[in-house]
Amino acid sequence: GAVVSQHPSWVICKSGTSVKIECRSLDFQATTMFWYRQFPKQSLMLMATSNEGSKATYEQGVEKDKFLINHASLTLSTLTVTSAHPEDSSFYICSARETLGQAVSGNTIYFGEGSWLTVV
Amino acid sequence: AQSVTQPDIHITVSEGASLELRCNYSYGATPYLFWYVQSPGQGLQLLLKYFSGDTLVQGIKGFEAEFKRSQSSFNLRKPSVHWSDAAEYFCAVGGFSNDYKLSFGAGTTVTVRA
Repeated sequence: GAVVSQHPSWVICKSGTSVKIECRSLDFQATTMFWYRQFPKQSLMLMATSNEGSKATYEQGVEKDKFLINHASLTLSTLTVTSAHPEDSSFYICSARETLGQAVSGNTIYFGEGSWLTVV
Repeated sequence: AQSVTQPDIHITVSEGASLELRCNYSYGATPYLFWYVQSPGQGLQLLLKYFSGDTLVQGIKGFEAEFKRSQSSFNLRKPSVHWSDAAEYFCAVGGFSNDYKLSFGAGTTVTVRA
């Protein structure tokens, strides 16, 4: 089946620095990827929709200048947490939409393994 | 607006017993429905999905789900659980009308006792 890979799996950074998380679709092209945030023991909250070749669409309440999203190719989207602070510590998960016409699934959403961010 | 309700926060089941996880959704158009499983510290793994057609959907790991439009439900079932099924389960809804953004339920934690 389709695979989505995230890197790094976990990262610790100092407060005030920036950190980049990559999301790759390994065996299919994804024109649309999604970034979610998950706090411990909670569900996933959609942060933004990443569209290849265009600007990301952010959900209400998500700071677009803080969470920079780039979708430069059909297989890669990146999330950069700028000037990270301890309250940004969380589990970030990306997903990619395998669109109709590709492979077998069609319009199925696959998730990456997630990335743990700890800001100290 | 779309939303998902998973009424059961936590379910404990004995190994070998059957399992049913409830999911109710609200969606203004034809819904795409998903069940995902998450082990601690891991990403989400797709168990099964419903787009159209047969309302009884078979998934991986012996799971199945039934779409009932009249009840706005998409309950997940497994006839006989294994200890490895202990995890967090999320139901999600999305569709073409909202660019496939998924809304997730709060999740149901499944504990399997020996």
